[in-house]
Amino acid sequence: DSGVTQTPKHLITATGQRVTLRCSPRSGDLSVYWYQQSLDQGLQFLIHYYNGEERAKGNILERFSAQQFPDLHSELNLSSLELGDSALYFCASSGYSDSPLHFGNGTRLTVT
Amino acid sequence: QQPVQSPQAVILREGEDAVINCSSSKALYSVHWYRQKHGEAPVFLMILLKGGEQKGHEKISASFNEKKQQSSLYLTASQLSYSGTYFCGTLGSSNTGKLIFGQGTTLQVKP
Repeated sequence: DSGVTQTPKHLITATGQRVTLRCSPRSGDLSVYWYQQSLDQGLQFLIHYYNGEERAKGNILERFSAQQFPDLHSELNLSSLELGDSALYFCASSGYSDSPLHFGNGTRLTVT
Repeated sequence: QQPVQSPQAVILREGEDAVINCSSSKALYSVHWYRQKHGEAPVFLMILLKGGEQKGHEKISASFNEKKQQSSLYLTASQLSYSGTYFCGTLGSSNTGKLIFGQGTTLQVKP
């Protein structure tokens, strides 16, 4: 158990809808990263928050947004969903830049 | 910007050795290595930092050539449990917090 909690585990929704994925980092970790992994593909970097502030952004679509709250949990919002957004979304947390990333079990999003 | 891993896939027999390489076109601050088994989350193996510091599991070894912006992961006396997809992740020298992963190397260890 990595200590990182992601909810929900599975999400099935229709095109055009909006969903929110939630991540609770390990106790004491200030950084939260979000990654998208499509079927049998690599880990695509979406965004990194550190202690509530956006630290780095990848090729995240404008339809996607994220935030990290004062209690350090993070949410990834996906709107106007398309079939191609179907993927496994991982959240990972770490203490600082020299620390390992600890991944949650992911949220599997299926857009029908 | 995405690091390039080689080979893309490796098949080994138990007890054999393997090397997975990771190469970047940019100067690096650190290199991370993770292993992901099918249907599971990636698991941390090793961090190699600019300047030579390493953090990770004792049974895993890796190298980091800062000048060539390359890292290699050495898997010796492989076990069935080593099977999975290995990802290297790189942080650029300015340490912007953008940890980018390579496309992965699939390792299969057979009895």
